[in-house]
Amino acid sequence: LAKTTQPISMDSYEGQEVNITCSHNNIATNDYITWYQQFPSQGPRFIIQGYKTKVTNEVASLFIPADRKSSTLSLPRVSLSDTAVYYCLVPNQAGTALIFGKGTTLSVSS
Amino acid sequence: EPEVTQTPSHQVTQMGQEVILRCVPISNHLYFYWYRQILGQKVEFLVSFYNNEISEKSEIFDDQFSVERPDGSNFTLKIRSTKLEDSAMYFCASSVDSSARYGYTFGSGTRLTVV
Repeated sequence: LAKTTQPISMDSYEGQEVNITCSHNNIATNDYITWYQQFPSQGPRFIIQGYKTKVTNEVASLFIPADRKSSTLSLPRVSLSDTAVYYCLVPNQAGTALIFGKGTTLSVSS
Repeated sequence: EPEVTQTPSHQVTQMGQEVILRCVPISNHLYFYWYRQILGQKVEFLVSFYNNEISEKSEIFDDQFSVERPDGSNFTLKIRSTKLEDSAMYFCASSVDSSARYGYTFGSGTRLTVV
């Protein structure tokens, strides 16, 4: 059973900032939160990972509040090529695998 | 950037036949995984593997499935007697440690079609 909940879909326009929020109410103390991107017929691609507060890399930012029960992936100034499915993942209970939920399908229009 | 390599990219097989899907994980990674994705559905965990043993397997990973690391570089998934419902994309992944502290690296997948 997936431990994360995300919106099924989101729509945006080119140049806008997109924020995708994921809830993980039962996250374990040692769990990191990892976000992946997947294009059709391709393997999931690592975007960003964090434990608490804010993490930023060249493609995205990840905001994690103090209670760590949710996280928000922020994509600045999206383009058409950012149209994809975005997954928020936490490890399974045993910590032996990352479990995918249904993900958020982001559609970017011009 | 290091990659996880999967072969073949496409495989068509007849129902009841055995198939072996191959993966070359990143060289310094110690943990290996197989996932599958049926068309239009989410990515599903199959099995994790470490130190030549299965660490965890899902309910999907029944007796028809097996994994092996036959040498120092390859990691294989075998389906003994394929069924139509085994048609899916199969993704191999590897990681440095078990905590996924640095995330998993996924391959591009093998599209398996059972006819």
